[in-house]
Amino acid sequence: GAVVSQHPSRVICKSGTSVKIECRSLDFQATTMFWYRQFPKQSLMLMATSNEGSKATYEQGVEKDKFLINHASLTLSTLTVTSAHPEDSSFYICSARDAASGATDTQYFGPGTRLTVL
Amino acid sequence: GIQVEQSPPDLILQEGANSTLRCNFSDSVNNLQWFHQNPWGQLINLFYIPSGTKQNGRLSATTVATERYSLLYISSSQTTDSGVYFCAVVTSYDKVIFGPGTSLSVIP
Repeated sequence: GAVVSQHPSRVICKSGTSVKIECRSLDFQATTMFWYRQFPKQSLMLMATSNEGSKATYEQGVEKDKFLINHASLTLSTLTVTSAHPEDSSFYICSARDAASGATDTQYFGPGTRLTVL
Repeated sequence: GIQVEQSPPDLILQEGANSTLRCNFSDSVNNLQWFHQNPWGQLINLFYIPSGTKQNGRLSATTVATERYSLLYISSSQTTDSGVYFCAVVTSYDKVIFGPGTSLSVIP
């Protein structure tokens, strides 16, 4: 089956630094990837939709200058949390849609990245 | 936008018991998925089920799209079934909206 990986799985950083999270589709091409954030004991909230070769579309309330998304290839999207602060600590999960499957509503989820900002 | 509700919010089961989790959604959707999030945070897809019934081992799911609900059945529960179960709907705008989840604890 389709596999999505994320790197790193866990990161701890100091307040004010920037952190980059990678999301890769390992065995399929993904024209569209999605980034979600999950706070403890809460559900997943869509942050942005990332389309290969174009600008990401951000959900209402998500700061695009703080959460930079780059989808430079059909297998890689990156999320950079700039000038991270403790309130950015969260579990970040990406998903990818298989461009060739024909099922436009099937998304495959990565294992998530747990970010802790001290 | 579409509202997704899940019930119950929390559930404690004795090992071997059966359970039914419910997902209600407020508008028509293109697809519906059930996920299990394990204690390490990994989301595991259980079913893609926009309508009808599917079974996979001890788990089965039924979606009645016309009545806007889906049910996840867990039979003969095991401690490894513990975690949070999410339903997520795919809207006509191609977005995935997650429900709040049902937290399941299976005790020996």
